[in-house]
Amino acid sequence: DVKVTQSSRYLVKRTGEKVFLECVQDMDHENMFWYRQDPGLGLRLIYFSYDVKMKEKGDIPEGYSVSREKKERFSLILESASTNQTSMYLCAVTTGTLSNQPQHFGDGTRLSIL
Amino acid sequence: GNSVTQMEGPVTLSEEAFLTINCTYTATGYPSLFWYVQYPGEGLQLLLKATKADDKGSNKGFEATYRKETTSFHLEKGSVQVSDSAVYFCALRDNYGQNFVFGPGTRLSVLP
Repeated sequence: DVKVTQSSRYLVKRTGEKVFLECVQDMDHENMFWYRQDPGLGLRLIYFSYDVKMKEKGDIPEGYSVSREKKERFSLILESASTNQTSMYLCAVTTGTLSNQPQHFGDGTRLSIL
Repeated sequence: GNSVTQMEGPVTLSEEAFLTINCTYTATGYPSLFWYVQYPGEGLQLLLKATKADDKGSNKGFEATYRKETTSFHLEKGSVQVSDSAVYFCALRDNYGQNFVFGPGTRLSVLP
């Protein structure tokens, strides 16, 4: 199975800072995703990417951007962090294009914006 | 559009009790269905999946059967343990898109 590594388990930043969350996979899969998870709201898709330099907006892209310069790395960027972006962020990788193939998740980054 | 509905939590059970977590879905075509589990402080882990009608997915004593006629994929376990305490997510992936749709999650607490 693919291993998905998120660079930080916990992160504390200040309002207005530019924040980078990193996600790395150990294989060569095209599809990578960023979600945020909030109590009572489940998982919400922020951005996804089907290949290097490709990105697509998910359901809640406002206030975020992404970067995919190499296939194995997908970065989520908070351009100017705000307190309402305090959340758990999850990166996921899909191992193929067939519908029966699952997503594999990293351990998550719990981000607090003060 | 596609959607997944799960029973509201939290669910609290005693050890060795029978577990059912209901999941129903709305989707075009023939989606694949998944259950994920999230232990405290961790990401989501795939628990089981089923890819066509009447398929049964199973893992670690958990089972779920893909029921197309009722558009359901209920999770069951005959005898829960304290270590099963977690949040459970039902999800689907349809034949046409690359994205997943997740239910809101159901928190399970198992008491000794």
